[in-house]
Amino acid sequence: NAGVTQTPKFRVLKTGQSMTLLCAQDMNHEYMYWYRQDPGMGLRLIHYSVGEGTTAKGEVPDGYNVSRLKKQNFLLGLESAAPSQTSVYFCASSYSTALYNEQFFGPGTRLTVL
Amino acid sequence: QQQVKQSPQSLIVQKGGIPIINCAYENTAFDYFPWYQQFPGKGPALLIAIRPDVSEKKEGRFTISFNKSAKQFSLHIMDSQPGDSATYFCAAGGSQGNLIFGKGTKLSVKP
Repeated sequence: NAGVTQTPKFRVLKTGQSMTLLCAQDMNHEYMYWYRQDPGMGLRLIHYSVGEGTTAKGEVPDGYNVSRLKKQNFLLGLESAAPSQTSVYFCASSYSTALYNEQFFGPGTRLTVL
Repeated sequence: QQQVKQSPQSLIVQKGGIPIINCAYENTAFDYFPWYQQFPGKGPALLIAIRPDVSEKKEGRFTISFNKSAKQFSLHIMDSQPGDSATYFCAAGGSQGNLIFGKGTKLSVKP
């Protein structure tokens, strides 16, 4: 099993450009999450999904959109990138949010917005 | 009420020492307290987790101590090794399942 994979690993954007980050998991997990990690800020939840076709806002959703068209994929979109979105983005998945389930993280995407 | 406060931000210990990382939470609805370990360039990975019905949990050299009345929990690493050098995140969650993470502690274990 590959676990959780993220594409791309690195990306540089100019202000105003758009892009989509792809997350894929092969563990048949129901729940998927997008976090951003900034120095000294820990991990902050952007959006999450409790199942195929459903999404919900997390702690810092502004400027991002997500889609979960297939159970194994969770896409994070930036419609008009801003320098404040420079960060490392992590996708995670879990079998369920009930009963203390472990979240499995991908390797991250390092995004720089100039 | 959703914050999880973690300290210290960074920690340097000698090999064999016992680093201790502390976390405090406010929301009494939290009932799941995991610790994640992250090596440079990698995603976080679950290290150990505890529920509030026990005051301590050990897994190998890693121990969580939990104080429900004080709303605090801590990670102890016994006989620390240079390979334990990483960033450690505490987190707290409830039945909703979404975790609130602390800001992280960068641990360096010197040979």
